Amino acid sequence: QKEVEQDPGPLSVPEGAIVSLNCTYSNSAFQYFMWYRQYSRKGPELLMYTYSSGNKEDGRFTAQVDKSSKYISLFIRDSQPSDSATYLCAIRDNYGQNFVFGPGTRLSVLP
Amino acid sequence: GAGVSQSPSNKVTEKGKDVELRCDPISGHTALYWYRQSLGQGLEFLIYFQGNSAPDKSGLPSDRFSAERTGGSVSTLTIQRTQQEDSAVYLCASSLLAGGHGTQYFGPGTRLLVL
Repeated sequence: QKEVEQDPGPLSVPEGAIVSLNCTYSNSAFQYFMWYRQYSRKGPELLMYTYSSGNKEDGRFTAQVDKSSKYISLFIRDSQPSDSATYLCAIRDNYGQNFVFGPGTRLSVLP
Repeated sequence: GAGVSQSPSNKVTEKGKDVELRCDPISGHTALYWYRQSLGQGLEFLIYFQGNSAPDKSGLPSDRFSAERTGGSVSTLTIQRTQQEDSAVYLCASSLLAGGHGTQYFGPGTRLLVL
């Protein structure tokens, strides 16, 4: 079993839709959870960072962590064509200096 | 201010040749990471430098891969005797802080194609 699983998509939605992106992980030691956005031919950029279970909101983006289920989600409200990108989840534990990334979900928001 | 830069942007090489990929981190960032991203795969950790400490090389896939960081700044990733399976995007990231609270800032990557 991979440490982090993520549906690769592609996922296509109409503009204005609510998007749900998800990852599952296997190691209960993971404590830090991040979502990165990667536009085509660019490096990933950090969108959201959470430490604990629960929700964290930033504008149209909400990150949700359920440690009991080892499940993390990113919700995008009122999606825009500019949100079209690949979204990668990343997780790490308290001890490692490295991050484990999911394979990414490719999202297309159609105008 | 300038972000993380990488060169070259694209590299096409023949199987068996050596290649060098360069990363210029954000000034003042002590942590530097190299990752490899293959189509449909997540970012694969390769190597991590933190200040003057010995690098964490645990992600290097074979002894054909090596990396240096000179003067705590610029880093070079070298792949010797390249193989077709080395074709991927090689991403560099730097961070002001080590550990979980250090946001990683990524460069645009070097796209390597081994023919």
